[in-house]
Amino acid sequence: QQPVQSPQAVILREGEDAVINCSSSKALYSVHWYRQKHGEAPVFLMILLKGGEQKGHEKISASFNEKKQQSSLYLTASQLSYSGTYFCGTLTGTYKYIFGTGTRLKVLA
Amino acid sequence: DAGITQSPRHKVTETGTPVTLRCHQTENHRYMYWYRQDPGHGLRLIHYSYGVKDTDKGEVSDGYSVSRSKTEDFLLTLESATSSQTSVYFCAISPERLAGVIYEQYFGPGTRLTVT
Repeated sequence: QQPVQSPQAVILREGEDAVINCSSSKALYSVHWYRQKHGEAPVFLMILLKGGEQKGHEKISASFNEKKQQSSLYLTASQLSYSGTYFCGTLTGTYKYIFGTGTRLKVLA
Repeated sequence: DAGITQSPRHKVTETGTPVTLRCHQTENHRYMYWYRQDPGHGLRLIHYSYGVKDTDKGEVSDGYSVSRSKTEDFLLTLESATSSQTSVYFCAISPERLAGVIYEQYFGPGTRLTVT
């Protein structure tokens, strides 16, 4: 079952903040976040582990709540370079991997 | 950047012909994956490999087969291409971590396949 992300799309002005959520119907043991720019391959951003641990990458951070089976990605003071589609990803089995539905983010000057 | 390449990068083929896409890595990672990406469907797993000669199906495996005879190469074959297989295909590799089983993925540049 594919994790569901919300919102599906968001438009920001430079400097504004955004939150992207990833919810799973199955237990999550770790969550990964990726960003894909138009016409390019997805790029790994960060790993989230059990225990609600937050990880950071530049002005992008994330949290993971394994009880709620949710992860959230926080983009602070967004920049034009943040535009793209964001995916969460996780293991569904020992080796099988699955991506979320994706969130399109556009940052305007 | 992870050393991962895909070939060809672009291909146009006719319905009914067999097509093989190649993924090559220089990272010696154990795990390799094939995805397709279509508008409105995100990234969908076709097949994956957890070692040489060890492969398994993903969620959209019908019409596709894979082979992995060496650690560095993972081949995806469309036995008889159909128009519904027109897509962008990404290969990804994943390192083996410790017992925590934390597998982030690193992607190749993608292959744009058009079946006419």
